Amino acid sequence: NAGVTQTPKFQVLKTGQSMTLQCAQDMNHNSMYWYRQDPGMGLRLIYYSASEGTTDKGEVPNGYNVSRLNKREFSLRLESAAPSQTSVYFCASSEDLRATDTQYFGPGTRLTVL
Amino acid sequence: SQQGEEDPQALSIQEGENATMNCSYKTSINNLQWYRQNSGRGLVHLILIRSNEREKHSGRLRVTLDTSKKSSSLLITASRAADTASYFCGDGRETSGSRLTFGEGTQLTVNP
Repeated sequence: NAGVTQTPKFQVLKTGQSMTLQCAQDMNHNSMYWYRQDPGMGLRLIYYSASEGTTDKGEVPNGYNVSRLNKREFSLRLESAAPSQTSVYFCASSEDLRATDTQYFGPGTRLTVL
Repeated sequence: SQQGEEDPQALSIQEGENATMNCSYKTSINNLQWYRQNSGRGLVHLILIRSNEREKHSGRLRVTLDTSKKSSSLLITASRAADTASYFCGDGRETSGSRLTFGEGTQLTVNP
């Protein structure tokens, strides 16, 4: 099993450009998440999807959109990138949305917005 | 708002020594989860301790939870260079389910 995979691994954008970060999991998990990680800020939840067909905002959703394409895939879109969105983005999944569910993380996408 | 906060921010020890990291949180929890992040990688789950547990072991890891002080500690015994990583705590709450809140982590360096 590959677990959680993310593409691309690295990306450089210019301000105003758009892009989609892709995430897929092969563990048949219902719930998926997008986080960003910044120095001194820890990990912050951007959006999550409790199950296929549902998405909800996390702590820092502004400037992002998500799509839960099917049970396996959860994408994050930046419509008009800004330098403040320079960060490392992690996708994660868990069996469900229970408090005791372990999250499994992907390797991350390092995004730089110039 | 940030819930889990790790302390210290950085810790440097020699191989073979024990490493202790602490985590504090603000509101009632269902459980506390500890994760490790190797440089440039995603987080990996280490151990979960439920709110009705006081101590839990997994190999060289020992986690304690003091709900009266709203704090937890992670002890790594007989550390190895391979333990060099950042360690995060995430709180699980009934109201937020598996949507954990992470702190900034403790950067542990184990020198050979």
